[in-house]
Amino acid sequence: QKEVEQNSGPLSVPEGAIASLNCTYSDRGSQSFFWYRQYSGKSPELIMFIYSNGDKEDGRFTAQLNKASQYVSLLIRDSQPSDSATYLCAVTLFESGNQFYFGTGTSLTVIP
Amino acid sequence: EAEVAQSPRYKITEKSQAVAFWCDPISGHATLYWYRQILGQGPELLVQFQDESVVDDSQLPKDRFSAERLKGVDSTLKIQPAELGDSAMYLCASSFKRGVEQYFGPGTRLTVT
Repeated sequence: QKEVEQNSGPLSVPEGAIASLNCTYSDRGSQSFFWYRQYSGKSPELIMFIYSNGDKEDGRFTAQLNKASQYVSLLIRDSQPSDSATYLCAVTLFESGNQFYFGTGTSLTVIP
Repeated sequence: EAEVAQSPRYKITEKSQAVAFWCDPISGHATLYWYRQILGQGPELLVQFQDESVVDDSQLPKDRFSAERLKGVDSTLKIQPAELGDSAMYLCASSFKRGVEQYFGPGTRLTVT
């Protein structure tokens, strides 16, 4: 079983809508959670990180963490065409020396 | 704004040749990571340094790959000899300490012909 699972998509939303990206992880010992955005041919760019249960908001982005259900979500409000990219979820596991485990990413397309 | 530097940005080499990549992390970042990313997949950790020491190289193909961070600052990843299956994006990332947010450099796109 993979440590981090994401729906590969593609996910398409109209401009101005809310995009919801989900990530599940297998190990209850996971401690830190990260969302990265990756444009085609470019390197990953950190969007948000979250350590505690609940929501964390930063501009149009909200990360939601539910440790009991072992999922973390990223909501993008007022989606823009420039948000079209692949979104990578990553988690760390204390037992493995805080190594990062990345999902395979979800491709998002925002349609004008 | 501080950034992770990598060079070269693109590299084309023939199989069986040697190739090297360089990374300069954000100043003050003790932890440095080398990843390989194949199209459509997430980054795969090759090696992780804490200062000048390797803390994880379990996924590094040690028969052909080597990595060093001699003074605990910049780092070099080498492949010798390169194989066709090594074609990928090679990413360097750094973080202040282990387990916290990582920042990626622009990557090196390697094509082995």
